Amino acid sequence: AQKVTQAQTEISVVEKEDVTLDCVYETRDTTYYLFWYKQPPSGELVFLIRRNSFDEQNEISGRYSWNFQKSTSSFNFTITASQVVDSAVYFCALISGGSQGNLIFGKGTKLSVKP
Amino acid sequence: ETGVTQTPRHLVMGMTNKKSLKCEQHLGHNAMYWYKQSAKKPLELMFVYNFKEQTENNSVPSRFSPECPNSSHLFLHLHTLQPEDSALYLCASSQEAGGLTGELFFGEGSRLTVL
Repeated sequence: AQKVTQAQTEISVVEKEDVTLDCVYETRDTTYYLFWYKQPPSGELVFLIRRNSFDEQNEISGRYSWNFQKSTSSFNFTITASQVVDSAVYFCALISGGSQGNLIFGKGTKLSVKP
Repeated sequence: ETGVTQTPRHLVMGMTNKKSLKCEQHLGHNAMYWYKQSAKKPLELMFVYNFKEQTENNSVPSRFSPECPNSSHLFLHLHTLQPEDSALYLCASSQEAGGLTGELFFGEGSRLTVL
């Protein structure tokens, strides 16, 4: 079965703090892709990153970084020096052959960044 | 202009009403999706259309009826809904359905309230 777990329902931080959003996934497929999406208050989900199962290299994009560890089936997302505009719900998602090409989403983590 | 446009953004309807949600994508994609987002639940995939053909119906009740007249337009016809159907309905598109690398582009959603 395919499953994505985001154990943190809500996180609140003060601006400029670093924050890490956790994501743990389950799949029996050896080929899969992991995603992070951001959902601001306006509603639309915005694609942030895609990672394939054969590339465990960590990635950094500005203040965002992702830590993919197959040994622990985790794909964590860190925001450095958070800003108020980072306030949103963040979803981790998985796609694999077992999901028939459909994205399996976690329940999301609501991040509130206070000034 | 956003790539995926949904109308209406907000809809309130009674249980006996018939209404429709509309989605239009301007990205030249061939696959379109309906997702349901309820409070405290993961995004639920409802329907998938690939090249205008329905490829996925995720055990959705018949009171939800999708229609895809062409690759750019997707409708969700609503009839005799229940209060528990109140949710944010998100439309998405991708280059093609079923692939493992497909990134989804989402609309801002239609917030539905059933009285």
